[in-house]
Amino acid sequence: DTEVTQTPKHLVMGMTNKKSLKCEQHMGHRAMYWYKQKAKKPPELMFVYSYEKLSINESVPSRFSPECPNSSLLNLHLHALQPEDSALYLCASSLDLSGGELFFGEGSRLTVL
Amino acid sequence: KNQVEQSPQSLIILEGKNCTLQCNYTVSPFSNLRWYKQDTGRGPVSLTIMTFSENTKSNGRYTATLDADTKQSSLHITASQLSDSASYICVVSAYGNNRLAFGKGNQVVVIP
Repeated sequence: DTEVTQTPKHLVMGMTNKKSLKCEQHMGHRAMYWYKQKAKKPPELMFVYSYEKLSINESVPSRFSPECPNSSLLNLHLHALQPEDSALYLCASSLDLSGGELFFGEGSRLTVL
Repeated sequence: KNQVEQSPQSLIILEGKNCTLQCNYTVSPFSNLRWYKQDTGRGPVSLTIMTFSENTKSNGRYTATLDADTKQSSLHITASQLSDSASYICVVSAYGNNRLAFGKGNQVVVIP
């Protein structure tokens, strides 16, 4: 199994809603990532977890709250988002932080109204 | 300044033809370079990953080259197919830095 599974594939939410994006992998990877990608732009790193601990937070606004309940799961909790937060949110994983191959999920397309 | 520059920004090619995409980087110290294919609205899929000692690596009709001295890489697509229409992203990793450097991608459109 070389898949990173993200749910939901599409999400539409209002600015007052609370929702969560979920990511799961069963490759035994100990590093997991959240990226944000706007149209025709490269992915931008948001958070990195290593061995279930937050390793990198790229100064992401607090309305995005990551959570790593265990080594296979990564969540991104969303609250009070703005329309400009609409984007494709990509989860990725790698064996660890030593620079090996990065496996991406299919992404969650988020629209904030 | 972006540490990874890709050219051309976009490219239209006829089905069956070959094309070459370029990636220049300034990331240092170099660890590895990856090429990803990303279909519109989908997640990137890895094509190749190359370390300092590797000059060329193939994955089916995709062949990547790396010149670590000049800090250049290329991705050659042979006998293009309509399904090759996508964005091709060059990603470079530095030793001791967990943040990957992404290029802006080469947008390839294959037409019949």
